[in-house]
Amino acid sequence: QLQLQESGPGLVKPSETLSLTCTVSGGSISSSSYYWGWIRQPPGKGLEWIGSIYYSGSTYYNPSLKSRVTISVDTSKNQFSLKLSSVTAADTAVYYCARFVIVALSGAFDIWGQGTMVTVSS
Amino acid sequence: AIQMTQSPSSLSASVGDRVTITCRASQGIRNDLGWYQQKPGKAPKLLIYAASSLQSGVPSRFSGSGSGTDFTLTISSLQPEDFATYYCLQDYNYPLTFGQGTKVEIK
Repeated sequence: QLQLQESGPGLVKPSETLSLTCTVSGGSISSSSYYWGWIRQPPGKGLEWIGSIYYSGSTYYNPSLKSRVTISVDTSKNQFSLKLSSVTAADTAVYYCARFVIVALSGAFDIWGQGTMVTVSS
Repeated sequence: AIQMTQSPSSLSASVGDRVTITCRASQGIRNDLGWYQQKPGKAPKLLIYAASSLQSGVPSRFSGSGSGTDFTLTISSLQPEDFATYYCLQDYNYPLTFGQGTKVEIK
C-alpha cells in the first residue's frame, strides 16, 4: 500500500528557506499516471495548493508563491522535495504532500501524507 | 485563477439528516472537481473525483453531482463519523484551487 511521509525541520527562522521532503513507500514515484504535490494549511484556515511535479521533473506552481517555491524530484530515492525561500510568519502551516492521480481526463489527490507542522519564528 | 466558492461555510445537522454542500466555480471547469473530507488533526481524504465518481472505500451515502460551474456534494443520511470539514478542489487548470471549506457540526 502506497504511503507518503513528510520530513523536515519543524521550526524555521524568518527570511530563511523552508525545506521539506516527501518519501514515497510501497510504490514507485516514476509512474506515468501520477503527479506529486504539496498542499499547506495555516492553523485554523483552509487548504492551499503550493505546487506539483511529474517524475520527469515538470513542475507547476501556485503563482502566489512561484517566486519563492522550488519543487524537485529524486527518482533514485523515491522522494520529492519542497523549498520555500524568504519565509515569514504567514508561511506557518501544516504542509502535506500528496499523490495526484489522473483518472480519465480528470484527477484528484488520492493519497496524502500525515502532514508536518512548520512554524516560522525567531 | 479560478475561484471556488463553497456554501454554506458551516452548517448544523443531526444524525440521519440529508446534507447538501455546494461549490461554484468562477468559470466552467467541465467535471474537473473533487470533494475532500477533513477531520481535526488529520489529512484530507478524497471522497469524490470527476464531480460524481465515488472513491473506492467511501460509503455510498456520499454522492456528487454537477458540471460546468455548479457542483454539489450530498450526504444522504448523516452519520456520527461524517462531522468534519469538507472542501472542493478544481483540477481543470493550474493553479489548482480549493473552496474555503464547509464545516458540518452536530445539531
